[in-house]
Amino acid sequence: EDKVVQSPLSLVVHEGDTVTLNCSYEVTNFRSLLWYKQEKKAPTFLFMLTSSGIEKKSGRLSSILDKKELSSILNITATQTGDSAIYLCAVGANAGGTSYGKLTFGQGTILTVHP
Amino acid sequence: GAVVSQHPSRVICKSGTSVKIECRSLDFQATTMFWYRQFPKQSLMLMATSNEGSKATYEQGVEKDKFLINHASLTLSTLTVTSAHPEDSSFYICSARAASSYNSPLHFGNGTRLTVT
Repeated sequence: EDKVVQSPLSLVVHEGDTVTLNCSYEVTNFRSLLWYKQEKKAPTFLFMLTSSGIEKKSGRLSSILDKKELSSILNITATQTGDSAIYLCAVGANAGGTSYGKLTFGQGTILTVHP
Repeated sequence: GAVVSQHPSRVICKSGTSVKIECRSLDFQATTMFWYRQFPKQSLMLMATSNEGSKATYEQGVEKDKFLINHASLTLSTLTVTSAHPEDSSFYICSARAASSYNSPLHFGNGTRLTVT
């Protein structure tokens, strides 16, 4: 059974801090790893990683995949109160047929940024 | 970009009644849509995979007779919670990917908060 584990489960920091969120996976036929940010409603897409060692960056957020270690990290620098959210890691596998696109989600990391 | 619309955003119903939730892909065709359930401060749990024109595939532990899924067209999937009970109260989210873009990420609807009284 595919498994995705995130750590820490929750994190409380102050504005300006840098945080690193972790995601590890055990998946048959790995295809991609995705990071989502979820505030009050649906998750919004942050990054999709398919190749090991290539950092993806968007503003203060960056992420990298390590296929050898079966893991990924999401970094947020100079955190702001608006970064407070649940960060979800999800892994997609090559499933074939009509189930392609199925994602296995981690438990999420609840990030709280205090002013 | 790809947009997924989910309706209603919030519904309150009485125990024993049925509730239908719609998920539409607005600017792309989705042969496959996914239905998730989320409890407060927990991750998304996949309930079922909805395939256009065929039967849905349910995850282990999800009752197919209770959570009826219909995917009648390339842009619409519906989830009907039948004979709802208070323990069915949850946040239900659908997602879809453009059929022609296997490598693109899933896009999510805004979710439906169901409260069963």
